[in-house]
Amino acid sequence: DIQMTQSPSSLSASLGDRVTITCRASQNIGHYLGWYRQKPGKAPELLLYGASILLEGVPSRFIGTGSGTDFTLTISSLRPEDFATYYCQQYDNVPRTFGRGTKVDIK
Amino acid sequence: QVQLVQSGGEVKKPGTSVRVSCKGSGYEFAKFGISWLRQAPGQGLEWMGWIDPDTGNTNDAQKFKDRVMLATDSATDTVYMEMKNLRSDDTAVYYCARDPSGPLAYWGQGTLVTVSS
Repeated sequence: DIQMTQSPSSLSASLGDRVTITCRASQNIGHYLGWYRQKPGKAPELLLYGASILLEGVPSRFIGTGSGTDFTLTISSLRPEDFATYYCQQYDNVPRTFGRGTKVDIK
Repeated sequence: QVQLVQSGGEVKKPGTSVRVSCKGSGYEFAKFGISWLRQAPGQGLEWMGWIDPDTGNTNDAQKFKDRVMLATDSATDTVYMEMKNLRSDDTAVYYCARDPSGPLAYWGQGTLVTVSS
C-alpha cells in the first residue's frame, strides 16, 4: 500500500495568514493526488485534483503543487470557512490511501 | 445535480451485521464507480473498497475482504455495503463517494454506525 505522510498534524493561524501543508507519498504517484477539506460533522469536500487543478467553484486562494512523491497545499489567505481539517489522498493505486490530516484552527 | 443519499444511522451489537445503502441521482449511475470509506470518531479517512455499479465488480481493501460485501441494484441506482461480525472498533461514520477511478468529487452525507453491547 502507498503510505501518505502529511504534516503538520495541526497548526494554528489567523485570518488572512498564508499556510502550507505538505504530503509525501511512499512511492511515485505522478499527479494522482487530491486535497480535501473537511468541516466538523460534514463529509470531506474535494478542493483540488491532479495535484494542482482546482475543482470548479473552489476559490483561487487554494494552491496545489508537486508531483511524484512530494506535494503541498497552500492557502494564500485564510478565511473563516478554512478552519477545518485537510487531507491528501492518492488515487494512483488501490487501495486508495489518505494522509492522516492537518487540523487548521484559529490562533 | 449529482447526489448520493445514504441510509440512516444504525446501532448494532457486537457480532451482528449492518447494511448501509447509497442511492445516486443526477447522473448516469452505471457510468461511475462507488467507493466506500469510513471515519472512526476523531480519526482520519479509511478507504474500504470500490464497486462498479454496471458490472458488480469490486475491489476491496485487504483489511475488509473477509467482512465486507459490496453489492449493487441497478433498478434503483443503489449500492450497498454490508459488514458482518461487527466489533466496537467498527464504530464510525461510513461514507460512499462517486469514484471514477480518480478523485472523489461527490460524497454521501455519511451514516453513523455505532457498535455497542
